Amino acid sequence: KQEVTQIPAALSVPEGENLVLNCSFTDSAIYNLQWFRQDPGKGLTSLLLIQSSQREQTSGRLNASLDKSSGRSTLYIAASQPGDSATYLCAVGGGTSYGKLTFGQGTILTVHP
Amino acid sequence: SAVISQKPSRDICQRGTSLTIQCQVDSQVTMMFWYRQQPGQSLTLIATANQGSEATYESGFVIDKFPISRPNLTFSTLTVSNMSPEDSSIYLCSVEDLPGGAWAEAFFGQGTRLTVV
Repeated sequence: KQEVTQIPAALSVPEGENLVLNCSFTDSAIYNLQWFRQDPGKGLTSLLLIQSSQREQTSGRLNASLDKSSGRSTLYIAASQPGDSATYLCAVGGGTSYGKLTFGQGTILTVHP
Repeated sequence: SAVISQKPSRDICQRGTSLTIQCQVDSQVTMMFWYRQQPGQSLTLIATANQGSEATYESGFVIDKFPISRPNLTFSTLTVSNMSPEDSSIYLCSVEDLPGGAWAEAFFGQGTRLTVV
């Protein structure tokens, strides 16, 4: 059974800092990995999708990397802003059922001015 | 990308009653998924809903408690039946666009925040 772990569980940083969120998964037989953002009480916003054949994806100040063999992904946020405050969720797609995602517990990020 | 509308966005319900949540997508999609997010927890898949076939439920979830309909390629409903306070959660609808059979990006609705009293 796939298990996804995110570290740290919570992170508080001053505005402007660069930061790294970590995600690890136990079964390397994944099809893709996706990073989401969730604001309190809201749904999920997709940030980056990395296919299993890819090593990284970039969007603006965000960069996600994937090392499938070691079961790890990182989300790098450059020059953090208070508007980045949210919960960041990592999810891996794979297994016997097409489209199923297994989620980590998330990292709660607070960026203070 | 896909735009997903969920209704209602939130509700407060009496125990023992049922609530039906609607999920509408702005394009035809093969697969739709229903997730539950309990307070302070991450998302757990309830079931996969494919048009024209019975929904496939994950371990711990049963059709009598969470009946699902998928009448066409843009719409699905999830019913939470005979509710108890333990059903208080955010329920989220998700779709994956699978062009050419490749695994693609998943999109989520804004969720339905359910409180059972």
